[in-house]
Amino acid sequence: KNEVEQSPQNLTAQEGEFITINCSYSVGISALHWLQQHPGGGIVSLFMLSSGKKKHGRLIATINIQEKHSSLHITASHPRDSAVYICAVSSGNEKLTFGTGTRLTIIP
Amino acid sequence: NAGVTQTPKFQVLKTGQSMTLQCAQDMNHNSMYWYRQDPGMGLRLIYYSASEGTTDKGEVPNGYNVSRLNKREFSLRLESAAPSQTSVYFCASSRDIAGELFFGEGSRLTVL
Repeated sequence: KNEVEQSPQNLTAQEGEFITINCSYSVGISALHWLQQHPGGGIVSLFMLSSGKKKHGRLIATINIQEKHSSLHITASHPRDSAVYICAVSSGNEKLTFGTGTRLTIIP
Repeated sequence: NAGVTQTPKFQVLKTGQSMTLQCAQDMNHNSMYWYRQDPGMGLRLIYYSASEGTTDKGEVPNGYNVSRLNKREFSLRLESAAPSQTSVYFCASSRDIAGELFFGEGSRLTVL
C-alpha cells in the first residue's frame, strides 16, 4: 500500500504570501491528485498529474517522479484560498491513497 | 449539469437502524466510489464500482453494502448502523478507474 505524507499539517499565512504544500509518497504511481476541501464543504479536484507541472490561475502543481514528491503552490494567496488541501495517489489500479490533508488559513 | 448528487445531506440514526445513501452522477462516468472521512484520517474507500454491473470492496467495507443500480446511480446501505459508522460520507465518480474524481457534497451521518 502506498503511504502518502503531507506537510505541513497546518499552515497559516498572510494574504499575498506564496504558499507551498508538499506531498511525498512511498511507491511508484501512475498519477497524483490535488484536491481542495472548504470548511463544511465538498471536495473539488484541482489537478491530476503524472509528470512535470500544471498551472491553473494562481495554483501550480509540480511532481518529481524520481523523488516521489509533489508540491502545490499558491501565488498571491487570498483568504478564499483557506481550505484543506489533500494529496492522493493512484498506482494504476482501482484505489487512490489519500493523505490526511494540509489545513491552510490565509489571514487578511 | 448537477455533477454528483448525494442524499441525504444529514442523517441521525439509532444503533441498529438501517439506511441507504443515494448517489447519482450525470457525467456519463463509468466508475463510482463511496468514501468515508473521519477526523485526522485521510479519505478511506468503502466500496467502488469500476463500471456498470461491477462492485468491489475497498479499504473499509465491513458493515456496508452497495448497489450499482445503473450507470448513473450507486447506493450505499448500512444494514445495522453502529456508532463507529458516524462519519461524513462522500460519493465520487470518474470517467474511468483512477481518473479525475468528481465528488458529491457529502452526507453527515451520526449514529447514536
